[in-house]
Amino acid sequence: GQNIDQPTEMTATEGAIVQINCTYQTSGFNGLFWYQQHAGEAPTFLSYNVLDGLEEKGRFSSFLSRSKGYSYLLLKELQMKDSASYLCAVLDSNYQLIWGAGTKLIIKP
Amino acid sequence: TAGITQAPTSQILAAGRSMTLRCTQDMRHNAMYWYRQDLGLGLRLIHYSNTAGTTGKGEVPDGYSVSRANTDDFPLTLASAVPSQTSVYFCASSEGTGQNEQFFGPGTRLTVL
Repeated sequence: GQNIDQPTEMTATEGAIVQINCTYQTSGFNGLFWYQQHAGEAPTFLSYNVLDGLEEKGRFSSFLSRSKGYSYLLLKELQMKDSASYLCAVLDSNYQLIWGAGTKLIIKP
Repeated sequence: TAGITQAPTSQILAAGRSMTLRCTQDMRHNAMYWYRQDLGLGLRLIHYSNTAGTTGKGEVPDGYSVSRANTDDFPLTLASAVPSQTSVYFCASSEGTGQNEQFFGPGTRLTVL
């Protein structure tokens, strides 16, 4: 079967750094996405990785290791507005997205 | 531009009734998708359309139907609603299939009693 695993919830402090992990087992791999979803709102795109390594985009970075079936999203200089759920999704061999259940990130002042 | 819109925002529906959830995008995207999101579960794909005139089944298609008569609109119909279809429904679109990011509508919260 296909499986995406993420921690259910994480807590971090404003101004700090947090790493949200995602491990996957899917039928094929054509890339991995990270989306942000604030409570009661729609998901919005953060990043896409298809090759191994780190992609940096401002305060957010995303890392991929295809051999390990592993990715992480790194958020630096945390702000209160970063409180949200972070969704990991893998594009499988049929080019359909398989979604993790999401990680709820709570930022404390 | 409006991007992608959904209607209604929320709805309470009696079991056994039918309902159509509307989705419209103005980005001229080829691909469109319907997902449901339930607490503790990831987004699950119901149906998709890679281009106008074509549709396909996703992970959880039973009890739902779609049509794609033109590029902009992708309605989702529940023929005879059941309580297990209580969920938040998101419509999304992307320029192409595969590696293109998906843009999501604001969602429809549906309660079936």
